[in-house]
Amino acid sequence: KNEVEQSPQNLTAQEGEFITINCSYSVGISALHWLQQHPGGGIVSLFMLSSGKKKHGRLIATINIQEKHSSLHITASHPRDSAVYICAVRSGNQFYFGTGTSLTVIP
Amino acid sequence: GAGVSQSPSNKVTEKGKDVELRCDPISGHTALYWYRQRLGQGLEFLIYFQGNSAPDKSGLPSDRFSAERTGESVSTLTIQRTQQEDSAVYLCANDRDQLFGPGTRLTVL
Repeated sequence: KNEVEQSPQNLTAQEGEFITINCSYSVGISALHWLQQHPGGGIVSLFMLSSGKKKHGRLIATINIQEKHSSLHITASHPRDSAVYICAVRSGNQFYFGTGTSLTVIP
Repeated sequence: GAGVSQSPSNKVTEKGKDVELRCDPISGHTALYWYRQRLGQGLEFLIYFQGNSAPDKSGLPSDRFSAERTGESVSTLTIQRTQQEDSAVYLCANDRDQLFGPGTRLTVL
């Protein structure tokens, strides 16, 4: 069993749609990261969360520590949001990663 | 530099050869992680350095893999006697904020 589970694995949306990507984890964590990886590109850290909610532009990330669950929301999605979104949790000195959600936003 | 850099960006090698991958971290960031990402798969933790503490090597897949870092400077990941299953993108990340380098794409023929 993976320490971090993401859903869905793949997601196709029409431009403008509201998107939610979910992450559940099974280990005790000190922080959770949402990462973005573009095709052929590097990885960018979008958010680091230890509680509550953070917002950056059209992106919102929430975490529920008791339920061991986090969500990444994208409002008014755009084709440039097409990427793989990865949930990562820090437990001690180690990071555990989900397998990613591949998002395609169609114009 | 402003970010984490890695070199080379691409490396093609023959099975059985040794390779050395380099990560130049952000100055002043004490923690450094190496990860591997095989095609179509998630990130795998390899090794973690924190200052002058003993590195956490628990993610290294075999004794063909080793990594060094002197203080808070450059780190090198060495793979000896490369195998085809070593083909992957090798990424390093600085600090607990996970600031990633662009990766080295390793192809073992």
